[in-house]
Amino acid sequence: EPEVTQTPSHQVTQMGQEVILRCVPISNHLYFYWYRQILGQKVEFLVSFYNNEISEKSEIFDDQFSVERPDGSNFTLKIRSTKLEDSAMYFCASRLNTEAFFGQGTRLTVV
Amino acid sequence: QKEVEQDPGPLSVPEGAIVSLNCTYSNSAFQYFMWYRQYSRKGPELLMYTYSSGNKEDGRFTAQVDKSSKYISLFIRDSQPSDSATYLCAMSTNFGNEKLTFGTGTRLTIIP
Repeated sequence: EPEVTQTPSHQVTQMGQEVILRCVPISNHLYFYWYRQILGQKVEFLVSFYNNEISEKSEIFDDQFSVERPDGSNFTLKIRSTKLEDSAMYFCASRLNTEAFFGQGTRLTVV
Repeated sequence: QKEVEQDPGPLSVPEGAIVSLNCTYSNSAFQYFMWYRQYSRKGPELLMYTYSSGNKEDGRFTAQVDKSSKYISLFIRDSQPSDSATYLCAMSTNFGNEKLTFGTGTRLTIIP
């Protein structure tokens, strides 16, 4: 069964460092998303991406964040200068129709 | 008022019981409703998807949507220990490129 895959599963980084979280969406899907979940809190929308551009972004998705689909298969989330409060699980999702499928997540720990 | 409200639980029921999980919402523009299951430190897994009001059944799971009351439910019949997880409701307003708005999730434990 097709699935969304994310790497790495766990990333530890120092505050102020740049991180890139990687995702391979399901191959025929058209819409791509990043969500995050701070420990013990709800899943929150960060950004949606369609036709090689951002469709919508939340207030969380400030200038420190960027997304890219560099080669037609990978979908990346870059955080330029990480803060302690960026520590969370980051989930990539993709969808073709209305049903969004999520990856297993990358746990980002900023120290 | 939060856009989507969900009782966080925890909810513990004996094996074989019927489980009822619920969400309320305030945005009347929501039309697409989903239930996800999330095991600890894993990604949400889609269980059920419904459009507008009505019922949908899939095996032991039934999803109900009452748009007039802004209330959705997930019923699990003959609950099993493997159903123990956090259940998230999620909803969106448009078909296609639309973000999901999640509830906080209800942690469910099925006691053998």
